[in-house]
Amino acid sequence: ETGVTQSPTHLIKTRGQQVTLRCSSQSGHNTVSWYQQALGQGPQFIFQYYREEENGRGNFPPRFSGLQFPNYSSELNVNALELDDSALYLCASTLAGTGTKEYGYTFGSGTRLTVV
Amino acid sequence: GDSVTQMEGPVTLSEEAFLTINCTYTATGYPSLFWYVQYPGEGLQLLLKATKADDKGSNKGFEATYRKETTSFHLEKGSVQVSDSAVYFCALIANDYKLSFGAGTTVTVRA
Repeated sequence: ETGVTQSPTHLIKTRGQQVTLRCSSQSGHNTVSWYQQALGQGPQFIFQYYREEENGRGNFPPRFSGLQFPNYSSELNVNALELDDSALYLCASTLAGTGTKEYGYTFGSGTRLTVV
Repeated sequence: GDSVTQMEGPVTLSEEAFLTINCTYTATGYPSLFWYVQYPGEGLQLLLKATKADDKGSNKGFEATYRKETTSFHLEKGSVQVSDSAVYFCALIANDYKLSFGAGTTVTVRA
């Protein structure tokens, strides 16, 4: 059973640029969530995808967008990068429904994004 | 809305000391409760969980009991090691099936 893998592990971008982060969910998981973790803080929920549709969103602007693909891999896209977007971005997957509350989410190791 | 409050750190202990990290929650319905651990430079790992009242989650010497009457899920370990140095997050999943995290508690264990 594979875990959740994210790429790249580190990334440096310039303010105003666009970035795409990638995630491969754990085998059998049909739901993926993305979190932003600023330095010294807890993870903040960005959005969640189930069966390729967004089904929940946190307090993040529309320049944060995502995609989920039929093979359950997913992307997080951020446009017009700002300095405050510098953070660890975490992808997490789960099996929707009662499986979520029973087993929780499995997290990847994250992508460290630095905006300069 | 759903929320988790955990004791602020940082917490610094000597090896073999007793560790407690307090966690309380507010949620609609019947949430599942989790403790995640984050080692330096890494992502989050599930440490333990409990899905109903009076359940005790345990792993690697850590324990936490789901107390519905006090809406708490305190994490304990009887004898910590240097390798337990990490950030610990209390979290819940309620009826919206989304994880809500506490702010995290940084634990440093000294040899």
